Amino acid sequence: AQKVTQAQTEISVVEKEDVTLDCVYETRDTTYYLFWYKQPPSGELVFLIRRNSFDEQNEISGRYSWNFQKSTSSFNFTITASQVVDSAVYFCARPSITGGGNKLTFGTGTQLKVEL
Amino acid sequence: DGGITQSPKYLFRKEGQNVTLSCEQNLNHDAMYWYRQDPGQGLRLIYYSQIVNDFQKGDIAEGYSVSREKKESFPLTVTSAQKNPTAFYLCASSLRHLGSQPQHFGDGTRLSIL
Repeated sequence: AQKVTQAQTEISVVEKEDVTLDCVYETRDTTYYLFWYKQPPSGELVFLIRRNSFDEQNEISGRYSWNFQKSTSSFNFTITASQVVDSAVYFCARPSITGGGNKLTFGTGTQLKVEL
Repeated sequence: DGGITQSPKYLFRKEGQNVTLSCEQNLNHDAMYWYRQDPGQGLRLIYYSQIVNDFQKGDIAEGYSVSREKKESFPLTVTSAQKNPTAFYLCASSLRHLGSQPQHFGDGTRLSIL
């Protein structure tokens, strides 16, 4: 299986700090997608963003931004001016193209704690 | 509101017992998935279904079974053969079984052994 690595297990920041969550992926595909999900304490996974390998432009959505770099196989996620409500586990994921179109492989997640 | 409903929220299993976790969606999605999450780990795929009356094993299917008799329903049975069932189980769906489609998740069922 092509792995997704989130090396940061846990990050703690003080409210209003910026924070970047790292994601490195393996791929043998020329075309692929990447996803970020948020898992708040309540447990459900919330879809944040989808990226395809053809589009290397960085994306910004409010306080969230994503930096996709094919050269380093990374898809990092930055929260600007973090808030307590951002506290959650964040997962990076990619679907396996080989053998089945949408079997997601997840990283192990990064627990983000934002404190006052 | 459209979404995915999982029930129950908490479930307890006695030794030797089979239990069934419910997953219903009203998003009109073709594909549905079951994942298992253990503490400090990512999600692992148990089973998935691309379309009604079809399902395929994921990475950790042993000790589990599923059915897909209706488009909106994809129940998961944890059998007595699953020796370590304590985990958080998440159901998901996507419009099609394609890598471009984001998966949408339910609130999960937490299963414990009595």
